[in-house]
Amino acid sequence: KNEVEQSPQNLTAQEGEFITINCSYSVGISALHWLQQHPGGGIVSLFMLSSGKKKHGRLIATINIQEKHSSLHITASHPRDSAVYICAVNPYMDSNYQLIWGAGTKLIIKP
Amino acid sequence: DAGVTQSPTHLIKTRGQQVTLRCSPKSGHDTVSWYQQALGQGPQFIFQYYEEEERQRGNFPDRFSGHQFPNYSSELNVNALLLGDSALYLCASSSPAGTYEQYFGPGTRLTVT
Repeated sequence: KNEVEQSPQNLTAQEGEFITINCSYSVGISALHWLQQHPGGGIVSLFMLSSGKKKHGRLIATINIQEKHSSLHITASHPRDSAVYICAVNPYMDSNYQLIWGAGTKLIIKP
Repeated sequence: DAGVTQSPTHLIKTRGQQVTLRCSPKSGHDTVSWYQQALGQGPQFIFQYYEEEERQRGNFPDRFSGHQFPNYSSELNVNALLLGDSALYLCASSSPAGTYEQYFGPGTRLTVT
């Protein structure tokens, strides 16, 4: 079992729909990241969370540390939101500086 | 603030050759991590540099080496290139210990023929 699980793997929706992508993790963490990658492109950091909720434009990220779960929401989705969304965590472990990555959720927004 | 920059953007090399990729971290960041992302796969951690030393290394052979300069910029060197080294190489920078926030560069697309 992977330490970071994302669902769904693939998601297709119509423009304007409310989108939710989920991330569950099994390790203690210091921080959780949501990242975006367009086809053939580099990775863009969307959010870093250690508690609560963050909002940036149409994107909202929440985290529940007790339940080891995070969600990324997109309101009023648009075709330009089509990308792979990746959840990654900093494990709460001394001398371990690498991120543990989820497999990503491929999102397609149809006009 | 230019954010994290990487050069070159694209690169084509032949098997057996050597390649050097470069990364300049975000202003104020002193830590640089390198990742390899094969097509259709998630990023794999190569190593991280802090204070000009390799602080942690992933499961990559010695053909992959790096360096960090006093201005915190970093290089990734790959020797004796294999076809399987074809990938997007990502650099991420972060600020001093305790913040965990990482900023990623646009990546360098390496193709080995």
